[in-house]
Parts: sequence; C-alpha cells; structure tokens
Amino acid sequence: SQQGEEDPQALSIQEGENATMNCSYKTSINNLQWYRQNSGRGLVHLILIRSNEREKHSGRLRVTLDTSKKSSSLLITASRAADTASYFCATDGIASGSRLTFGEGTQLTVNP
Amino acid sequence: EPEVTQTPSHQVTQMGQEVILRCVPISNHLYFYWYRQILGQKVEFLVSFYNNEISEKSEIFDDQFSVERPDGSNFTLKIRSTKLEDSAMYFCASVRGSGRSNGYTFGSGTRLTVV
Repeated sequence: SQQGEEDPQALSIQEGENATMNCSYKTSINNLQWYRQNSGRGLVHLILIRSNEREKHSGRLRVTLDTSKKSSSLLITASRAADTASYFCATDGIASGSRLTFGEGTQLTVNP
Repeated sequence: EPEVTQTPSHQVTQMGQEVILRCVPISNHLYFYWYRQILGQKVEFLVSFYNNEISEKSEIFDDQFSVERPDGSNFTLKIRSTKLEDSAMYFCASVRGSGRSNGYTFGSGTRLTVV
C-alpha cells in the first residue's frame, strides 16, 4: 500500500452525525496534516499534529495519531452539509525534506 | 486572511507549447512549492523552493519543468513542450517556516488542459 492511504474512499452521512476518516502511512514522520478540498478548488489546511502528539482538537475537528500503528483519524462532529468535500491526509516525512505526501482522500457527503 | 494567488485559473494549450503558471505566495513565507493533481488522482509533489533555489524535486519534475522567482514576489512554474499527460490541476503552496510546525497555504490552482 502507499504512503498516506485514507479509508473509507467515500462516506455518506446525514447532517448532525459524526464522520470519521482514517489514514495510514508507511514512513517515519515529523507531522501529519489534514486538508480539505471542495470540488475543483484548492486545498485548505485543517489541522496539523506533530509526531509527539497523540490527539488534537480544533472546533468540531478531532485528530488522533498513533505512530506505533502509523495511522491517524479525523473526526468531524455534528456534521453539516457544508462539510461535504474531499479530505486528505498528508505526511511530512523525516526523510523527505519538507515535501508533503498526500493520500488518496476520502469523499465525504453530508446529506441535509 | 492572507492568500496564495494563482493565475490563470484555467489554461488551455496545444501539445508542444510552453506554458507559464504564476503564483504569488504569502509575503512573509519563505518556502514555496508546486504540486499537481491529475483528475481523480492524489495530489503529487513536484518541487520545493527556498532561498532562491530548488531545495527538492520529485521524479516528475524533469527537464521539461523549471521554476523561477523572478521579482521577489511571483513564483512561476514553466512547462516546456507540454504533453497531453501534463493536463492536471497545478497548485502552488507556501509556508512560513519549513512546514514542520505550520500547515501549508495552497492557492486555488490552475487547471491546465493540453489538447
């Protein structure tokens, strides 16, 4: 499997429900970041979690990081229709300069 | 909130032509990047630029590609002799530090269509 794989590939939920997306990676990292992309638009940075952190919150977002399992999860609580977008994890690898390696993304659809 | 600005938003070019994609990074940012996203695929790193030189490039960034910061504000990606497979969204990004503590700010992208 490749660096920065998300699952599920697609997730459809009702407004008000929580959405959980997972990401796995293969190499050692400095940090892991989550980005959001609305259809045909640019990437918007959501949250960054450092390799020595286990959990981080920002508004309705909660990110966890398990470096022993090389995995992260993004939880969006009380989802809204406006949260409909693609969500990508991206890793800043220790051996990769400052480049980000992106996953395949999860397409989240929140139905009103 | 400061933005990374990219122009044009959409460019159509004939195969074999040269294109220049332009970016204005955030003014106090020091690290600049180009990424691309082929339709339906993941975002791929092309090149990073720091202190007026390339600091890292991917296997994709071959002799066909070049970057420049001609005037201290613009950051350009030139693609010489475009191919059909160069059709993609090209994103510019900048970050203040090395990115180890800060997220990147991405532009809205340039959709390049090679016909």
